[in-house]
Amino acid sequence: AQSVTQPDIHITVSEGASLELRCNYSYGATPYLFWYVQSPGQGLQLLLKYFSGDTLVQGIKGFEAEFKRSQSSFNLRKPSVHWSDAAEYFCAVALNTNAGKSTFGDGTTLTVKP
Amino acid sequence: EPEVTQTPSHQVTQMGQEVILRCVPISNHLYFYWYRQILGQKVEFLVSFYNNEISEKSEIFDDQFSVERPDGSNFTLKIRSTKLEDSAMYFCASNVPGQGDNSPLHFGNGTRLTVT
Repeated sequence: AQSVTQPDIHITVSEGASLELRCNYSYGATPYLFWYVQSPGQGLQLLLKYFSGDTLVQGIKGFEAEFKRSQSSFNLRKPSVHWSDAAEYFCAVALNTNAGKSTFGDGTTLTVKP
Repeated sequence: EPEVTQTPSHQVTQMGQEVILRCVPISNHLYFYWYRQILGQKVEFLVSFYNNEISEKSEIFDDQFSVERPDGSNFTLKIRSTKLEDSAMYFCASNVPGQGDNSPLHFGNGTRLTVT
């Protein structure tokens, strides 16, 4: 079965600083990979996804992620964090036949210092 | 942009009672899902539903759970006899037909279920 690991439970960065959230997955084939953001009291919003092709994918709100097959990673990055980016971030993986059944990581809580 | 809507936003119930959580998926979506997030834990897949039947379910989705699409717009999750450990945020999601399995999920804002 596939699994997702987000090694960092909580990250604090200063506003304007760069951000990288780590995600590692375990799956025999190339999975479908997603990053979601969850603001307090809200549902999950898709930031970006990777299915195939270019390994650097661009998402909403200035986020990007890079798929590295050799490292089984799909890290999320943003060059300059805004206070409104404070939220919980979830990496998710899905089988190539059913993206609806996704396996989520434990999440990383991002705090942004002024 | 169309949204998945869920009601109520918060439901409190006593142990042993039945609850029904309601969702209105995006209107042209045909695949529907329920996920659960226990406080402080990861989001977990419960069940997927397509063409008026369950297409897949997790080990969490036991006989106490059921789903239904009673009409053309609503998608419900019923818990027959709630337990304390059912307290969680329940998210409904749907995705686009045609692209179906390969399209990302659109989530509702969730229903927080508290079992006392």
